[in-house]
Amino acid sequence: QVQLVQSGAEVKEPGSSIKVSCKASGSPFSSYAFSWLRQAPGQGLEWMGAVIPIFDTTKKSQKFQGRLTIIADVSTNTAFMELSSLTSEDTAVYYCARGLRGPRWGGAFEIWGQGTTVSVSS
Amino acid sequence: SFVLTQPPSVSVAPGQTARITCEGNTIGGNLVHWYRQRPGQAPVLVVYDNSDRPSGIPERFSGSSSGNTATLTISRVEAGDEADYFCQVWESSSDHPYVFGTGTKVTV
Repeated sequence: QVQLVQSGAEVKEPGSSIKVSCKASGSPFSSYAFSWLRQAPGQGLEWMGAVIPIFDTTKKSQKFQGRLTIIADVSTNTAFMELSSLTSEDTAVYYCARGLRGPRWGGAFEIWGQGTTVSVSS
Repeated sequence: SFVLTQPPSVSVAPGQTARITCEGNTIGGNLVHWYRQRPGQAPVLVVYDNSDRPSGIPERFSGSSSGNTATLTISRVEAGDEADYFCQVWESSSDHPYVFGTGTKVTV
């Protein structure tokens, strides 16, 4: 059974960075697109960016250009998301999700991680 | 940017049918996907490519799309269907290509 397991909750100060991991098990890792999304308290879902490990290529929302880094470590089947220059507006639950369409952009998010709560506060 | 508009809330009695709409000018020509999110949980895909169901999703969940509106229909609604529901499309021309709807709270 395919599972995505994310790292635990974190509390960060404004101006710092956060790095969240997402470990995949039960399926080929390299041949899918892995996205990062977030959900602020009481709000909807927002896509941030994604990586396709087999092509070592990323795509990011322009909103996060310059402060979002997404990488994939094929040796450990783990995707990482790092967001810098945090503000209180980055307080959210962060999710990783695997795309349905293999190593392609687009389509639905078939498998989701359990979510990682990130709180930004001084 | 592209916007997908959903009704904020839908209320339905057990055993009845709930219909959730998703409107936007990016719907036509794009495939629509739907997610259910129960409180405190991650979203779950319930319909993809307008009308297909992932394995494990009951036939009570169905989807359709016409013009600029997509619809998720939940038949024979159960208490466990109470959740937030989001539609989503891929808009390749956008600098924010994975677009989500505003979300609908279904109350049973």
